[in-house]
Amino acid sequence: GENVEQHPSTLSVQEGDSAVIKCTYSDSASNYFPWYKQELGKRPQLIIDIRSNVGEKKDQRIAVTLNKTAKHFSLHITETQPEDSAVYFCAPRASGTYKYIFGTGTRLKVLA
Amino acid sequence: EAGVVQSPRYKIIEKKQPVAFWCNPISGHNTLYWYRQNLGQGPELLIRYENEEAVDDSQLPKDRFSAERLKGVDSTLKIQPAELGDSAVYLCASSLGDSGNTIYFGEGSWLTVV
Repeated sequence: GENVEQHPSTLSVQEGDSAVIKCTYSDSASNYFPWYKQELGKRPQLIIDIRSNVGEKKDQRIAVTLNKTAKHFSLHITETQPEDSAVYFCAPRASGTYKYIFGTGTRLKVLA
Repeated sequence: EAGVVQSPRYKIIEKKQPVAFWCNPISGHNTLYWYRQNLGQGPELLIRYENEEAVDDSQLPKDRFSAERLKGVDSTLKIQPAELGDSAVYLCASSLGDSGNTIYFGEGSWLTVV
């Protein structure tokens, strides 16, 4: 079956530094790669996504990069702020399906 | 525009009791998902509906869990009887149904079985 792993499981950075979270997947048919942010007690919310025909996408302080050959994609957050503290999930999806396999999550702590 | 609405937000029940959760998806979204999220883990799909049809229920523990979406709009997830291990957050999500669209989550129903 599909396997989705995230690294690291926890990440602490100083405010203003950058954070990178990596998601590795096993299903070569995956073609849509979203990242969700979940604050404590809240719903997961989409923050950025990328499709397989694009290598990188940026939206202000966040970016996602995709390496389809190696089957991994990464979330990059620059100039981190305390409000970036949350759990982040990747959820790759295979082409033609609606099945999102969520990773185990990465807890990011931004230290003021 | 209203998002995905779930109720109740919190429920505490004794083991062996039944419980039901309700979800109203975003208007116009024909695909509806029920996920379960255990503490410290990612959401796991229980069942997915396309309109009123359950098209993926392979992860639903059918001995005690059931779900319905009779008119292709709102949905109910039921557990009977509940077990201690069912304590989790039950998240409902919806999407337009096209594989190019992402999913939007409700706030979740927090279940504690004691």
